[in-house]
Amino acid sequence: ELKVEQNPLFLSMQEGKNYTIYCNYSTTSDRLYWYRQDPGKSLESLFVLLSNGAVKQEGRLMASLDTKARLSTLHITAAVHDLSATYFCAVDHSTTQGGSEKLVFGKGMKLTVNP
Amino acid sequence: NAGVMQNPRHLVRRRGQEARLRCSPMKGHSHVYWYRQLPEEGLKFMVYLQKENIIDESGMPKERFSAEFPKEGPSILRIQQVVRGDSAAYFCASSPLRLRTGRNQPQHFGDGTRLSIL
Repeated sequence: ELKVEQNPLFLSMQEGKNYTIYCNYSTTSDRLYWYRQDPGKSLESLFVLLSNGAVKQEGRLMASLDTKARLSTLHITAAVHDLSATYFCAVDHSTTQGGSEKLVFGKGMKLTVNP
Repeated sequence: NAGVMQNPRHLVRRRGQEARLRCSPMKGHSHVYWYRQLPEEGLKFMVYLQKENIIDESGMPKERFSAEFPKEGPSILRIQQVVRGDSAAYFCASSPLRLRTGRNQPQHFGDGTRLSIL
């Protein structure tokens, strides 16, 4: 059974600081997603990482994927208050042979950026 | 270009009543997924449907829950005889047809239905 673990689950940081959060998963997959969720809202897609070594950046966020280590990181650079939200990673449990097509989510990391 | 539409946004039911949650996928999408999110938790897969077919319902509770995606109209997630533990946010996602590689394309999420059981 595929398990996805995020670390840490809660993070409080000051504006202007940097931090890296981690997402580990237990079985082989070559597609990983990062989502942002604001309270009471839906999931906003941030990144889709499709292959080993993939790195994507958008503003102050950068995501990377190491499929051999089964690890993705989300790096926050010079945090601002607007980044406060819950961040989820999700691993694609699909197969090319068909059958189940589902995402397995981590528990999420609640980020608070203090002015 | 409407996204995934879910309704209602909020639904309040008393214990023992039925809850019906609707999801209209994005235009051109033929795959629908339902997920449940408990407070302070990630989303948990419930069921994956294509038109008139349930492909994977491994995440659905065995009793009281059912889902359908008819040829015409939205996908429906139905919960009979609701209990307090059914209180959660229910999200629908959709994706288009498989690529030639056989892989599904990324899922797009709706705004969710917040179900509260009194």
